[in-house]
Amino acid sequence: KAGVTQTPRYLIKTRGQQVTLSCSPISGHRSVSWYQQTPGQGLQFLFEYFSETQRNKGNFPGRFSGRQFSNSRSEMNVSTLELGDSALYLCASRPGGRSYEQYFGPGTRLTVT
Amino acid sequence: AQKVTQAQTEISVVEKEDVTLDCVYETRDTTYYLFWYKQPPSGELVFLIRRNSFDEQNEISGRYSWNFQKSTSSFNFTITASQVVDSAVYFCALSEEAGYSTLTFGKGTMLLVSP
Repeated sequence: KAGVTQTPRYLIKTRGQQVTLSCSPISGHRSVSWYQQTPGQGLQFLFEYFSETQRNKGNFPGRFSGRQFSNSRSEMNVSTLELGDSALYLCASRPGGRSYEQYFGPGTRLTVT
Repeated sequence: AQKVTQAQTEISVVEKEDVTLDCVYETRDTTYYLFWYKQPPSGELVFLIRRNSFDEQNEISGRYSWNFQKSTSSFNFTITASQVVDSAVYFCALSEEAGYSTLTFGKGTMLLVSP
């Protein structure tokens, strides 16, 4: 089975712009979660989508949003980028239900200048 | 609120040494799940193990072993006979029953294994 894929792998944006990141989960997985990783804050949960519905949301401002499509692919959007949004954004998928292991993609490295 | 503490920021060992990575957690739930992930330089988090709060049996997988002790709220990870390929950042994580889809991570321990 192919693993979780994320595109693009690297991205450079300017402060004030917006960005969209994409995640394709493992085939058959219905849940997609997003995490932000920074040197200062570590790994922090952004949100989770299951069957096109947001089920959980972390403590991030409204500039961070996401959605999930009927094929379980997910996108994450950050509007009005700030320098502090520079991070590795990781997507994870799991089958859904009471399956607890999350399988992570390689991440998208976002740099905001 | 839940919390995971990995007090060791960085550990350096020489190949073939045994090394233990510490993890201490806090949660008010009686049912919870503990995880270890490995993050090599490529950045992808690799799942290593999941443990349920109601199963304190230790586990061994090849050179890896895990010691779960509810009495001390610890879930330590030992690598026996370390190898250079073990060099990575290791994360301990926790999820609670109510929010089982949400992982709370520790800050990670960077393990450097030199030849």
